[in-house]
Amino acid sequence: AQTVTQSQPEMSVQEAETVTLSCTYDTSESNYYLFWYKQPPSRQMILVIRQEAYKQQNATENRFSVNFQKAAKSFSLKISDSQLGDTAMYFCAFLKAAGNKLTFGGGTRVLVKP
Amino acid sequence: DTGVSQDPRHKITKRGQNVTFRCDPISEHNRLYWYRQTLGQGPEFLTYFQNEAQLEKSRLLSDRFSAERPKGSFSTLEIQRTEQGDSAMYLCASSSTDLPTFGSGTRLTVV
Repeated sequence: AQTVTQSQPEMSVQEAETVTLSCTYDTSESNYYLFWYKQPPSRQMILVIRQEAYKQQNATENRFSVNFQKAAKSFSLKISDSQLGDTAMYFCAFLKAAGNKLTFGGGTRVLVKP
Repeated sequence: DTGVSQDPRHKITKRGQNVTFRCDPISEHNRLYWYRQTLGQGPEFLTYFQNEAQLEKSRLLSDRFSAERPKGSFSTLEIQRTEQGDSAMYLCASSSTDLPTFGSGTRLTVV
């Protein structure tokens, strides 16, 4: 079974600054995917970024980037140039290759202050 | 069809009553998932359908829970004899490959 741990319950950041969210996971699988989802007050889970475990290059999507350390089983998310609309819960999630269920961490609440 | 639709958005029910939620996935998606999210936690997997076949169920899905996807399109999740511990957000997601798209959920409050 897989486990995903997010050790930071809440983070605050000033608008335009950078914040990094941590995520560690435990698995015996060699092929898998990792995701960061954003859940704003509207409740819908929105995919922010994904990483395939077989890719060494860290994924980047505009202001969002990850630091994927496979050996350490670490998958952190960096939000650059934070915007007020980034305020939300952020969840790290694991999916094994050809698997059918996501395993989520407990979430980190991000508050962007003006 | 722009996303996964869930109905109702909110449901308040008395303990012991039955409730049913509906999920309409993205039309071309053959996979459908139900998750439960309690306050302050990440979503937990409940069950998975491929077309009309229910292929996986979590042990979280007790005997009081049943899910169906009769024609491989929309799905329903029924909870019988609700308990206060059933209070949670119930999220539906659908996919055609490995990347699920989530709906906005149904928030259930059992009083």
